[in-house]
Amino acid sequence: AQTVTQSQPEMSVQEAETVTLSCTYDTSESDYYLFWYKQPPSRQMILVIRQEAYKQQNATENRFSVNFQKAAKSFSLKISDSQLGDAAMYFCAYRSGGGGGADGLTFGKGTHLIIQP
Amino acid sequence: DAGVIQSPRHEVTEMGQEVTLRCKPISGHNSLFWYRQTMMRGLELLIYFNNNVPIDDSGMPEDRFSAKMPNASFSTLKIQPSEPRDSAVYFCASSRTGNRGEQYFGPGTRLTVT
Repeated sequence: AQTVTQSQPEMSVQEAETVTLSCTYDTSESDYYLFWYKQPPSRQMILVIRQEAYKQQNATENRFSVNFQKAAKSFSLKISDSQLGDAAMYFCAYRSGGGGGADGLTFGKGTHLIIQP
Repeated sequence: DAGVIQSPRHEVTEMGQEVTLRCKPISGHNSLFWYRQTMMRGLELLIYFNNNVPIDDSGMPEDRFSAKMPNASFSTLKIQPSEPRDSAVYFCASSRTGNRGEQYFGPGTRLTVT
């Protein structure tokens, strides 16, 4: 079974600065997807960014980027120019690429990100 | 386009009562997932369906939990009888096969069992 580990229960960053959230995973599969989800106090789960394991290029979405190290099984999220609206729980998630991509997600425990004005 | 719809948003019930949570996936999505979120265990996959067929229910905690998907636009998660330890937020999510694995989540149902 796959496992996802987020070793930082809480992170704090000054507004406009850069913060990196860590995630490691364990799998024996070669085909899979990795995700970062954001959960604000409204509890809505919002997809921030995705990475396909077969792609070497790191995914980027505006101020959000990842550092995907497949050999090390590491998938960190970098948030640049942090904004007050970025304050939320962030979850790293894994999904098998088999079955047409129709498997469930395995989540880490989450990192609570605090943005200090 | 409407997102995943869940009802009710909040449910408070007494121990021993039957609880039914409802989900309408995004139109055109053929995979549906039920997750549970608690402080102790985080986000856990309970069960998922592909083309209305249950594929993996290994995450369902006990026989008190059951899920159905009678058609492509509706699913239910039932707890009978409910217990205080079932208190959690229950999420439904849907995706389209081949959609690079992206799942879209509903707003969740907060269940409180007293």
